[in-house]
Formats: sequence, C-alpha cells, structure tokens
Amino acid sequence: QSALTQPRSVSGSPGQSLTISCTGTSSDVGGYNYVSWYQHHPGKAPKLMIFDVSKRPSGVPDRFSGSKSGNTASLTISGLQAEDEADYYCNSFAGGYIVFGGGTKLTVL
Amino acid sequence: QVRLQESGPGLVKSSETLSLTCTVSGFSISSGYYWGWVRQPPGKGLEWIGTIYHTGSTYYSPSLKSRVTISVDTSKNQFSLKLNSVTAADTAMYYCMGEYGYGRTDYWGQGTLVTASS
Repeated sequence: QSALTQPRSVSGSPGQSLTISCTGTSSDVGGYNYVSWYQHHPGKAPKLMIFDVSKRPSGVPDRFSGSKSGNTASLTISGLQAEDEADYYCNSFAGGYIVFGGGTKLTVL
Repeated sequence: QVRLQESGPGLVKSSETLSLTCTVSGFSISSGYYWGWVRQPPGKGLEWIGTIYHTGSTYYSPSLKSRVTISVDTSKNQFSLKLNSVTAADTAMYYCMGEYGYGRTDYWGQGTLVTASS
C-alpha cells in the first residue's frame, strides 16, 4: 500500500489555469472510477472538491474539474483565485480501503 | 447541518492505546454513510485509517489493520477509534469523518491533535 504520487508544489498567477496530477497503479486509480480531491487550508477540515473522478459537489465552483487517464488522475483549476491557495489531496478506492496522495501545495503568485 | 466533534486525550504515552470518540449531530449514523478516521502527522499528508458502517462492518488501512479498532454506538450517535501500541509516529491531527463511500468524504470534524510521547 503506497501513497498516490502528487507534485509537492505548483504555482500560478490569478486568472491562470493549472493542473495537479495524482498517479497511482492499476490497483487503485487505474482500476476504479473512484478518485476524489480535497482542498485543505491549514487548521481547517478538508473540503471535498471532486468525487468519482469528475463530479462536483453542490457549491463547488465549476472552475474545478477532474479527469483520469490510465493510472493518473488530474485536478484542473481554471481562473485561479487567491482563495484557491491551499493544499490539495487526491484519494482513490483501492479495493476495500482508501489511499491518499501525498498532497500538493498550491501557491497563487 | 451535519456536525462532527472529536473528543479524547491529547496526550498518550508510548506503547499505550489511543482512544478517540466522534459525536455526530444533525444526521443519524444509522441512516447510512461510512464513519471513520483520517489522520495527518505534523508536516505530512493525510492518511486514511478506516471506516465502519452502522451495521458494524469495518474497513481498515492495511498498514494499520493490526493495531486499529473502530466501533459504533448508534444509541449515542457516536463512533470511536482505538489504536494500540502507539509510538511517536502516531502523533498526528486526527479527523473523524463521514464517507459516502469509495473515498468520497462529505463530512469532517475539525480535528484533534494527539501526541504520543514517552
């Protein structure tokens, strides 16, 4: 059981688009369409942004979108805003349990 | 509004058992969802610990399975975590959560910091 692989950090300017990747294996990301993404501001509870690879909970802006190709899932944020600065985590169903990614720190320049 | 609140000791001695309880309000545990725990060691990422369904079925992280027990008390609308034989590596912020399933977690507590120290 290994954590999913995410870039440690990404950055972008307001208004830009960026993508965070989440790479696993055929036993987790590649084997199921059950990838979720969370936004985590330090000191607060994580917030669900995407579930089932590409579905958005109500209240999450459509600037956030998810996709998957093979063993890699991606979170794309378009029209970057200052309040998007946070840590982002992916997770995946792995057949009886859940595995998280190591997290990506998003900095808005 | 669904609210989850963790409670329990903030300090546990090494080799002893970490015990936390999560009280749920605004939603009956018996109505569905998987209830469980996620932790975050200082400076590190999130780690899924496990979940329990109101029927008592449990699902644990393979890496923690030998030391973890999650239980539910539907009469109190609470669920609990026990982690045996703790070491300094178990020092973390522990979040209780309500998972719809397959990793989709809709509800989170605010977290409670537990330090394992000799």
